[in-house]
Amino acid sequence: NAGVTQTPKFQVLKTGQSMTLQCAQDMNHEYMSWYRQDPGMGLRLIHYSVGAGITDQGEVPNGYNVSRSTTEDFPLRLLSAAPSQTSVYFCASRPPGGGYGYTFGSGTRLTVV
Amino acid sequence: ELKVEQNPLFLSMQEGKNYTIYCNYSTTSDRLYWYRQDPGKSLESLFVLLSNGAVKQEGRLMASLDTKARLSTLHITAAVHDLSATYFCAVDINYQLIWGAGTKLIIKP
Repeated sequence: NAGVTQTPKFQVLKTGQSMTLQCAQDMNHEYMSWYRQDPGMGLRLIHYSVGAGITDQGEVPNGYNVSRSTTEDFPLRLLSAAPSQTSVYFCASRPPGGGYGYTFGSGTRLTVV
Repeated sequence: ELKVEQNPLFLSMQEGKNYTIYCNYSTTSDRLYWYRQDPGKSLESLFVLLSNGAVKQEGRLMASLDTKARLSTLHITAAVHDLSATYFCAVDINYQLIWGAGTKLIIKP
């Protein structure tokens, strides 16, 4: 049981490049989400999904796209990287209902130069 | 605007002492989380609080939720160095987590 797996762990991009951050979970969780964490701040929600085929915007969606074609995978695409997107990105998932918290991946540290 | 405010943002304390971290939020929610984060690491779930009056304890940490006051507390009893970390509260609004800025806790021997 791997939990939530994020790849890559580190990435350096040049301004204007695009890339996809991968997130996969093997717990059959319906809810998945992407957050960014900037120094001295709490996490901010980028996009989230309540099930396969369903996505929605969070607090800071500009510059990012997502899709959810399967329950397991929830990739985050940076369309044209900007220095303001330098951050640590976390993917999280949880099952519906009950007293369960979100399980977080190990994070992707992204630097845009 | 949805806001989650934690205080204090920084706390330095001696081992053996007790202290409380406060988490206030601005909108109705019946689901609140506490997480711990060590430097350079991911977030570890500590508590899930689901209803008014909920109280949960794990070791030296105890969390409570007052939905009427829109307030949650994380109480640390007889702190030990291993509890040094940053603690976050997060409020769940329709599957969207709104986070506090975090409380950086340093416990000195």
